[in-house]
Amino acid sequence: GAGVSQSPSNKVTEKGKDVELRCDPISGHTALYWYRQSLGQGLEFLIYFQGNSAPDKSGLPSDRFSAERTGGSVSTLTIQRTQQEDSAVYLCASSLFGPSGNTIYFGEGSWLTVV
Amino acid sequence: EDQVTQSPEALRLQEGESSSLNCSYTVSGLRGLFWYRQDPGKGPEFLFTLYSAGEEKEKERLKATLTKKESFLHITAPKPEDSATYLCAVRPGAQKLVFGQGTRLTINP
Repeated sequence: GAGVSQSPSNKVTEKGKDVELRCDPISGHTALYWYRQSLGQGLEFLIYFQGNSAPDKSGLPSDRFSAERTGGSVSTLTIQRTQQEDSAVYLCASSLFGPSGNTIYFGEGSWLTVV
Repeated sequence: EDQVTQSPEALRLQEGESSSLNCSYTVSGLRGLFWYRQDPGKGPEFLFTLYSAGEEKEKERLKATLTKKESFLHITAPKPEDSATYLCAVRPGAQKLVFGQGTRLTINP
């Protein structure tokens, strides 16, 4: 597709349930990022994938959060045993690999509400 | 620690009233300063990348400038459709972006 695609766009889940959020990056982009944005806050880095390299997981807030990227394209962010503080917009982004000046393009986000 | 601070947090202007948004940063090794626009309920939309002090970029009513410690986003004769949150981010040596908290801009007709 033309841009970064995320699904679902909205998800309401009960506390304690697991959720999966999907990201389809721009075709040809080898770098993929997940960010989290809580209400009225800036963007918080979660995880970064680049090609076949080990992902940078330094931003994951707890071991309930995990992400994988299959075939160097689609990525899934999984939150286990969701808590109310996990409620936020989860934004996926992608960019071309190369010199670190490449532009990062964002999707529209997955709005997660934990009740 | 890499850090980005944006000011003001919120700004209200009348249509046609020019102003500037500030982004101050401390970073170990800057490999790009990015400006994004974010509308409510949407993902950030890329505006500009600046790489070195003295660089300037323009797009319609927006102009971004960069020094060694800060960047400014100048808005000339704004229109109501320029209302949005403007996000600044830096790219240190690593690939990821470090974001500021944003400036919420409202342009009244």
